[in-house]
Amino acid sequence: EDKVVQSPLSLVVHEGDTVTLNCSYEVTNFRSLLWYKQEKKAPTFLFMLTSSGIEKKSGRLSSILDKKELFSILNITATQTGDSAVYLCAVEADNTNAGKSTFGDGTTLTVKP
Amino acid sequence: EPEVTQTPSHQVTQMGQEVILRCVPISNHLYFYWYRQILGQKVEFLVSFYNNEISEKSEIFDDQFSVERPDGSNFTLKIRSTKLEDSAMYFCASRVYEQFFGPGTRLTVL
Repeated sequence: EDKVVQSPLSLVVHEGDTVTLNCSYEVTNFRSLLWYKQEKKAPTFLFMLTSSGIEKKSGRLSSILDKKELFSILNITATQTGDSAVYLCAVEADNTNAGKSTFGDGTTLTVKP
Repeated sequence: EPEVTQTPSHQVTQMGQEVILRCVPISNHLYFYWYRQILGQKVEFLVSFYNNEISEKSEIFDDQFSVERPDGSNFTLKIRSTKLEDSAMYFCASRVYEQFFGPGTRLTVL
């Protein structure tokens, strides 16, 4: 059975701090790993990672995948209160064209002013 | 910017009733998905759909569930006989490369 484990489950920081969120996985026929941000509604896409060691960056957020050790990290630098959300990690398996995603429980990030 | 839309935003139904949740994926997307999220729990994959047929389905997606693409734009999820435990937020998603989620339909089964 495919499995995605995120840690920590929750995190409280102050504005300006840097945070690292972790995602480890076990999946058959790995295709990609995705990070999403969820703020009380639908998940919004952050990153899609398919290759090991290549950092993806968007503003203060960055992410990297290690396919040998089966994990990914999401970094957020200079956190702001608007970064408060649940961060979801999902892994896509490539059994068929459309595939199948397995989500982790999420990390709830709270950024205090 | 194109987006995935879902209707209704909230559906309340009685146990045992049939519900149809509707989604309009982004127009040039080829792969379509339904997920559910029970309040306070993780997002769970239900089914993926490509080329007018189901690609993958989870254990949750039993005979009570069905999906259809009745025309070129809509993508529907039908629950034949709702149970209390079907109460959840149902998200539709579509993709070419990365998945875009719709805003969700909150289903409440009484």
